[in-house]
Amino acid sequence: IQLTQSPSFLSASVGDRVTITCRASQDIRSYLAWYQQKPGKAPKFLIYAAFTLQSGVPSRFSGSGSGTEFTLTISSLQPEDFATYYCQQLNSYPRTFGQGTTVEIK
Amino acid sequence: EVHLVESGGGLVQPGRSLRISCAASGFTFDDYAMHWVRQAPGKGLEWVSGISWNSIIIEYADSVKGRFTVSRDNAKKSLYLQMNSLRPEDTGLYYCVKAIHEFDWLLAPYDSWGQGTPVTVSS
Repeated sequence: IQLTQSPSFLSASVGDRVTITCRASQDIRSYLAWYQQKPGKAPKFLIYAAFTLQSGVPSRFSGSGSGTEFTLTISSLQPEDFATYYCQQLNSYPRTFGQGTTVEIK
Repeated sequence: EVHLVESGGGLVQPGRSLRISCAASGFTFDDYAMHWVRQAPGKGLEWVSGISWNSIIIEYADSVKGRFTVSRDNAKKSLYLQMNSLRPEDTGLYYCVKAIHEFDWLLAPYDSWGQGTPVTVSS
């Protein structure tokens, strides 16, 4: 299963609403997770089952979608949110990740 | 607190072998599926392999199937990846990751990641 994220790169300002899309090449029901990675650090788990926030993740993060189209939304971008975001499908093996979306400061 | 500490990475020539390890602590290791995820320099994440809590179920990415072997020793709380016939495209940082839910092979994402061990395949 291939996952395609869009955009690959986006430039935004603090306070902006940001949306990242992840499209799957086939139906993966709601079995999608999102991760955040900052430079030089291991990825951090954010959301699973498309919309369930991991404990400790700020509520400005939200996920939605099912089937083949999913979104990660940051309602009000904060300085610590500038990072690369990856989606991952958990519907079947082999597991696959999207290519990543880098969110940079405008 | 969960700790995953990878070790054993290094520089290796193409065609040679390397075994990397992951020492786990802070959770009941033998209740969780474990996985390896790698990241080539400047690139995205690639799932490499996974193993169920009882070693009965094992899966590999197509890119490593037949060359890599994952295993675990629950008594030692350790995860391993034996990498044979290494290629330059295997170069990257190898992360040991833990599934979020106990006894969940099918649907669990990864809630804990090590800091990774670097593998460089070059002559």
